[in-house]
Amino acid sequence: DAKTTQPPSMDCAEGRAANLPCNHSTISGNEYVYWYRQIHSQGPQYIIHGLKNNETNEMASLIITEDRKSSTLILPHATLRDTAVYYCIVRVRASGNTGKLIFGQGTTLQVKP
Amino acid sequence: GAVVSQHPSRVICKSGTSVKIECRSLDFQATTMFWYRQFPKQSLMLMATSNEGSKATYEQGVEKDKFLINHASLTLSTLTVTSAHPEDSSFYICSAGQQGQPPETQYFGPGTRLLVL
Repeated sequence: DAKTTQPPSMDCAEGRAANLPCNHSTISGNEYVYWYRQIHSQGPQYIIHGLKNNETNEMASLIITEDRKSSTLILPHATLRDTAVYYCIVRVRASGNTGKLIFGQGTTLQVKP
Repeated sequence: GAVVSQHPSRVICKSGTSVKIECRSLDFQATTMFWYRQFPKQSLMLMATSNEGSKATYEQGVEKDKFLINHASLTLSTLTVTSAHPEDSSFYICSAGQQGQPPETQYFGPGTRLLVL
C-alpha cells in the first residue's frame, strides 16, 4: 500500500472549516484514500473514503486532486469534539476486510474555542 | 453501526503474570480480526491478523509466543499477553470485519489500557 504524508499538527477555530491535507504521490490506480480519526484514548473511527471523485457524507467531505496524488479532508464546521488525530490511509479496497490498515503518524487537529 | 467491544477496558498486573484481553463483535460475525498496539503519543501498530478457525498471522517483530491470539468463534477473539513486563504496558486495540466486505465496514474496539508494574 502507498505511503502517505500528513502534517503532524493543525489548529482550527471552533465553527470554522478544518482542512486536513494528505499527500500520497505513489498511489496506485486501484488504491482508495481512507480517512479515520482517533479521539484520545479511544479506538479509531472511520470517516470517509474515495477513489477519484469528491465524496461527502454526514461527517466530512473528501477532495481528491485530479492526479490523485493528494487529498484534503474537510470538516465543514469544526467543533471541540472534533479534536482528534486524523489518519489518512491509502489501500486497495478489493482486499476487503482481509487487508490490513497501516496507520501513519496522522495529523493532530486541535479545535480551539 | 456495528459495535466492537473490548474487555477489560483497563487492567493493571504484576510483572510476570499473563493478561487476557477479549474482543467481541456485538451484532455481526467477524471473520477477520486485527490486533493493534499503541504507545503514548505514537500511532497504532498492527500486531497480528486473525481469521476465524485458523492461526493468526503476526507482523514482523511481534513474538507469537508472547502475544497469543485465539479467534475461537465468529464473535470473539482473545489476545493473551504472556509473562507481561513493564515494556508491554500499552493501549491495545482490536478491530473486526467480515470477509468479503469492504474495509470501511471494519470496526474498532474502544481499546484496553494495560499497565504492568
